[in-house]
Amino acid sequence: DAGVIQSPRHEVTEMGQEVTLRCKPISGHDYLFWYRQTMMRGLELLIYFNNNVPIDDSGMPEDRFSAKMPNASFSTLKIQPSEPRDSAVYFCASGRTSSGNTIYFGEGSWLTVV
Amino acid sequence: QKEVEQNSGPLSVPEGAIASLNCTYSDRGSQSFFWYRQYSGKSPELIMFIYSNGDKEDGRFTAQLNKASQYVSLLIRDSQPSDSATYLCAVNGGFQKLVFGTGTRLLVSP
Repeated sequence: DAGVIQSPRHEVTEMGQEVTLRCKPISGHDYLFWYRQTMMRGLELLIYFNNNVPIDDSGMPEDRFSAKMPNASFSTLKIQPSEPRDSAVYFCASGRTSSGNTIYFGEGSWLTVV
Repeated sequence: QKEVEQNSGPLSVPEGAIASLNCTYSDRGSQSFFWYRQYSGKSPELIMFIYSNGDKEDGRFTAQLNKASQYVSLLIRDSQPSDSATYLCAVNGGFQKLVFGTGTRLLVSP
């Protein structure tokens, strides 16, 4: 069974550019999470969806960040415009209501904004 | 105050020893607790979860939960160099939401 799939795995972009990160959750999972990881702050939850509906976006740092989940098998996290302080690893994770709170992570998207 | 606290380490143990990793949490209403392992440059992977007070064993790993004292621990018996990684404690923060600590780095020396 395929795990959570993220793309791109690595991205280097210039400040001010738009960045779009993509995620395909595990088939059958009804929760999807976007986390950001930095050395200073660890793993921070940005936003999560249940059945494609955003439930909690209180972790989204500012209006430059937006996330969508148009269907059960696809989600995007967009940063526009990007800034150097957005450099981090962005993880997508998914989970299923029937499996309690267990969630499974994708490989991550390593973003560097120069 | 952070919701989930861990000592950043590194925690250094010799091969074959028991490694003890600890985590405290602030929300008394938390019901489920998780330990994830993260190798450098990789994504977190689930090791164990625990819901009830007491111990839960899985191979060389034992999770311990004390809700009254609001702490969770992970014991790794017969530590191996391959166990060297960062261990993340996570606590249910409502619905399916998990709140993570910043992790403890474990170094197992041969």
